[in-house]
Amino acid sequence: ETGVTQSPTHLIKTRGQQVTLRCSSQSGHNTVSWYQQALGQGPQFIFQYYREEENGRGNFPPRFSGLQFPNYSSELNVNALELDDSALYLCASSFSRLFYNEQFFGPGTRLTVL
Amino acid sequence: GESVGLHLPTLSVQEGDNSIINCAYSNSASDYFIWYKQESGKGPQFIIDIRSNMDKRQGQRVTVLLNKTVKHLSLQIAATQPGDSAVYFCAEIRNSGGYQKVTFGIGTKLQVIP
Repeated sequence: ETGVTQSPTHLIKTRGQQVTLRCSSQSGHNTVSWYQQALGQGPQFIFQYYREEENGRGNFPPRFSGLQFPNYSSELNVNALELDDSALYLCASSFSRLFYNEQFFGPGTRLTVL
Repeated sequence: GESVGLHLPTLSVQEGDNSIINCAYSNSASDYFIWYKQESGKGPQFIIDIRSNMDKRQGQRVTVLLNKTVKHLSLQIAATQPGDSAVYFCAEIRNSGGYQKVTFGIGTKLQVIP
């Protein structure tokens, strides 16, 4: 059984650019949640996708968007990058949209915006 | 690997001693709580959870205590080992607008002294 994987591991962009981050969920999981973790902080919930539909969103602007594919892998897209978007982006998969069920996190993508 | 504990509160414990990590949560409507462990270069990993109708739950070498009166959560690790060195986060979950919301605390870095 393959765990949650994310790509790329590191990425450097400049202000104003757009970025796409990818996440492959664990086998059998239909839910993916995305988090932003700034250095020295806890993860902040961006949004969740359940069976290809957005199912809940945190306090992030619309320039943060996502997709979930039929195989339940997911993408996080960020437009018009700002310096404050520099962070570790984590995805987590689970077999249910309820956070009562265990989420399995990937290792994250470190995004640096210059 | 990634360092997520640069500016976090730090707890230093001698190997073999017990560790107590504390967390103050923010929302009295939160009905489920989770402790996560995050090692350098990895995503958070589930340790133990507790529902709001409980005040104590025990796992293998870990115990979570919940005090709803003062909105306080603690994680006790018995016989702390070098492998316990990591950043520990509490997360609170509540229902809001038909969705669940998850909020992570800032984290505590646990350093185990051999």
